[in-house]
Amino acid sequence: AQSVTQLDSQVPVFEEAPVELRCNYSSSVSVYLFWYVQYPNQGLQLLLKYLSGSTLVKGINGFEAEFNKSQTSFHLRKPSVHISDTAEYFCAVSGPNNDMRFGAGTRLTVKP
Amino acid sequence: GAVVSQHPSWVICKSGTSVKIECRSLDFQATTMFWYRQFPKQSLMLMATSNEGSKATYEQGVEKDKFLINHASLTLSTLTVTSAHPEDSSFYICSARDRTGLQGEAFFGQGTRLTVV
Repeated sequence: AQSVTQLDSQVPVFEEAPVELRCNYSSSVSVYLFWYVQYPNQGLQLLLKYLSGSTLVKGINGFEAEFNKSQTSFHLRKPSVHISDTAEYFCAVSGPNNDMRFGAGTRLTVKP
Repeated sequence: GAVVSQHPSWVICKSGTSVKIECRSLDFQATTMFWYRQFPKQSLMLMATSNEGSKATYEQGVEKDKFLINHASLTLSTLTVTSAHPEDSSFYICSARDRTGLQGEAFFGQGTRLTVV
């Protein structure tokens, strides 16, 4: 079965600074990778996804991620964060059966 | 994009009663739906996979007699928490896969906050 590890539980960063949220996955089959954002007491909003093709994926709100098969990673990046980016971010992996497995989450806190 | 609607968005019930949560795909047909629960400040844990017209597949450690799942149509799956207790209080989220959509894509509902008192 596939699984995901998010290496940082909390990432504090100052406004307008760049940020990288790390995600590593493990799977014996081809996978699909996702990043979601969750604001308090809300559901999940899809930021971006990798299904196939170009390994550099651009998403909403200025986020992007790069699929690296050799390092089994799918790190999320943003060159300049805003206060409004403060939220919980989840990396997820989905296999052939579409049962999505989530990482533990990374709490991004953007400080003024 | 595809829309998944969950109802209710929040519910408070007394201990010992049952609560039903609905998950609907509004503009697509979903042969498979997934149910997750999320405890405060924790990640989403897959509870079960629901396939239209057949029995749900539960993850290890999830009580199938307590969390009843019905997927009677291509647009509706329900999760019933039977004889709810305070420890069942959690955020429950469903997702659905468009049967005609891209492999690997699933769409999430907005979640249901269950509080058992």
